[in-house]
Amino acid sequence: SQQGEEDPQALSIQEGENATMNCSYKTSINNLQWYRQNSGRGLVHLILIRSNEREKHSGRLRVTLDTSKKSSSLLITASRAADTASYFCATVPAAGNKLTFGGGTRVLVKP
Amino acid sequence: GAGVSQSPRYKVAKRGQDVALRCDPISGHVSLFWYQQALGQGPEFLTYFQNEAQLDKSGLPSDRFFAERPEGSVSTLKIQRTQQEDSAVYLCASSAMGDPNSPLHFGNGTRLTVT
Repeated sequence: SQQGEEDPQALSIQEGENATMNCSYKTSINNLQWYRQNSGRGLVHLILIRSNEREKHSGRLRVTLDTSKKSSSLLITASRAADTASYFCATVPAAGNKLTFGGGTRVLVKP
Repeated sequence: GAGVSQSPRYKVAKRGQDVALRCDPISGHVSLFWYQQALGQGPEFLTYFQNEAQLDKSGLPSDRFFAERPEGSVSTLKIQRTQQEDSAVYLCASSAMGDPNSPLHFGNGTRLTVT
């Protein structure tokens, strides 16, 4: 079973546009992480936001976390063709010991 | 330094065969995870090691699946009597800390196809 659900499932944008994807989860968490996966490759960690943080930035990435709504968003600004990938949110339940992933958002950035 | 290495990259097995998938984590990493990823889906947790101890194997789908990490470094995921539903990408990940909240470093996976 998957803890998180991403929305939308797929997203197609033009290079230079912003891409926003959302993640909802079910249980209390210690932190929430976002990963990227290029086709045929493993996942790459992008950013971690702790449960006591509301917003975090890393380069062109902006992540928000709303623990009251059990949701997070990932914004990629000024997208590039190289951002084409699947993006996954992942959480460890507060009482758990394993990172659980959502179903992912497939992002296509057209040049 | 080298990242997480998995071998083989691709494996085709006839139904009923046994397979063994290998994971070389980043040197010195304490935690090692195995995930199964079906096409178009997110990774699903299989099992977790801290050093050589298998602390959680709740995600293993059946008793045909077995994982080990005898010396606390390299790990092997073995699937006995493979079935078509075992076809998936098997991902290994490691982290430096024993804290499950730490970011994971993934290998590129082994794509298993059972015919």
